[in-house]
Amino acid sequence: EVQLLESGGGLVQPGGSLRLSCAASGFTFSGYGMTWVRQAPGQGLEWVSAITGSGGSSYHADSVRGRFTISRDNSKNTLYLQMNSLRVEDTALYYCAKDDAPGGGYYDYWGQGTLVTVSS
Amino acid sequence: DIQMTQSPSSLSASVGDRVSITCRASQSVSPWLAWYQQKPGKAPKVLIYKASSLESGVPSRFSGSGSGTEFTLTISSLQPDDFATYSCQQYNSYPKTFGQGTKVEIK
Repeated sequence: EVQLLESGGGLVQPGGSLRLSCAASGFTFSGYGMTWVRQAPGQGLEWVSAITGSGGSSYHADSVRGRFTISRDNSKNTLYLQMNSLRVEDTALYYCAKDDAPGGGYYDYWGQGTLVTVSS
Repeated sequence: DIQMTQSPSSLSASVGDRVSITCRASQSVSPWLAWYQQKPGKAPKVLIYKASSLESGVPSRFSGSGSGTEFTLTISSLQPDDFATYSCQQYNSYPKTFGQGTKVEIK
């Protein structure tokens, strides 16, 4: 059974940093791209960052480029999102999601999310 | 970036109604379009991929259609479990943008 478990969220002041983690199990982690998607309170889904299975390529939304870095440790079956220079507008529930196929595509499994609150 | 626009933003319907939601892309994304259902406090769940393919385990009352820049999600006979928010997503290119969502409420 595929499981994705996010952690690392919390309350942080503007300008601060957090590192989110997503522990994966139930599939060959290194064979699939992974993504972070966020959802601000009462808002829609926003694609944030993605990384290929090998970790060789990564992609970021314009809204976070230069501040957030996605990475993965395939030996630990874990996905990360390093978030620096956090802003109030980064407040959201952050989900990790798995690509449906090794070549990338839609998201067939999602975690339950970890809440990030940026406030002074 | 490809912009995804859904309409309507919300709708009220009754059990048994046929419901359709439209998603328009700012450029062609065919056939790389997915539809997700999300209930309050829960993660999204994929319903449709590749514009019209039904994800395993999803009831057949859900269907997807369309090509190019215009796509439709149809629920043939709305059930109590279907009251939720529905979002489209293009996965033709990065960033893999989502529509803003359509909330389906009980009339």
